[in-house]
Amino acid sequence: SAVISQKPSRDICQRGTSLTIQCQVDSQVTMMFWYRQQPGQSLTLIATANQGSEATYESGFVIDKFPISRPNLTFSTLTVSNMSPEDSSIYLCSVVLRGETQYFGPGTRLLVL
Amino acid sequence: DAKTTQPNSMESNEEEPVHLPCNHSTISGTDYIHWYRQLPSQGPEYVIHGLTSNVNNRMASLAIAEDRKSSTLILHRATLRDAAVYYCILRDNSGGSNYKLTFGKGTLLTVNP
Repeated sequence: SAVISQKPSRDICQRGTSLTIQCQVDSQVTMMFWYRQQPGQSLTLIATANQGSEATYESGFVIDKFPISRPNLTFSTLTVSNMSPEDSSIYLCSVVLRGETQYFGPGTRLLVL
Repeated sequence: DAKTTQPNSMESNEEEPVHLPCNHSTISGTDYIHWYRQLPSQGPEYVIHGLTSNVNNRMASLAIAEDRKSSTLILHRATLRDAAVYYCILRDNSGGSNYKLTFGKGTLLTVNP
């Protein structure tokens, strides 16, 4: 399995500010994803983080709001821009290591005041 | 993505078997059946997956109906640590969206001591 870490693990932010979340994997992976889990809800895929090119966003998510970087095969960042209280969620990265299994990070708990 | 239907919640007693059902009547021939679970305050964790045949691993068993329109995740001896939300997900193995996962609401499993 893959060991995935996320930083920060949690944060409290003021509206209008931005937060960058880091995802680090202990081995090179082909696919990396970013998900959002709003309070009491299931996970929703935000985007696929592509190494060396722009991320692929799902419907309802845009690059200006959630810019993503993936400079190499073990690291990615997700920025939540111009935050509002509605952005309060858990943000999770996941990777595909071998075959079909996705491994998830522990999540970043974000509260926007 | 094809949809799945799961009960909102189930209860079990410790050390007894648990059968978690999932209906997926619109499943296509290229859809794999995946199960993930999310323990409290953690990211989702892979449990098992299959295509047509029943599958066993150290965590659980997956029983797939002959017509593939339903499946059952079997935990052979529930422990308190198995209390989680269990997600049944269909993953399309065709085209370029191979590894995307679409999470539904899942089943909240409560294990009583």
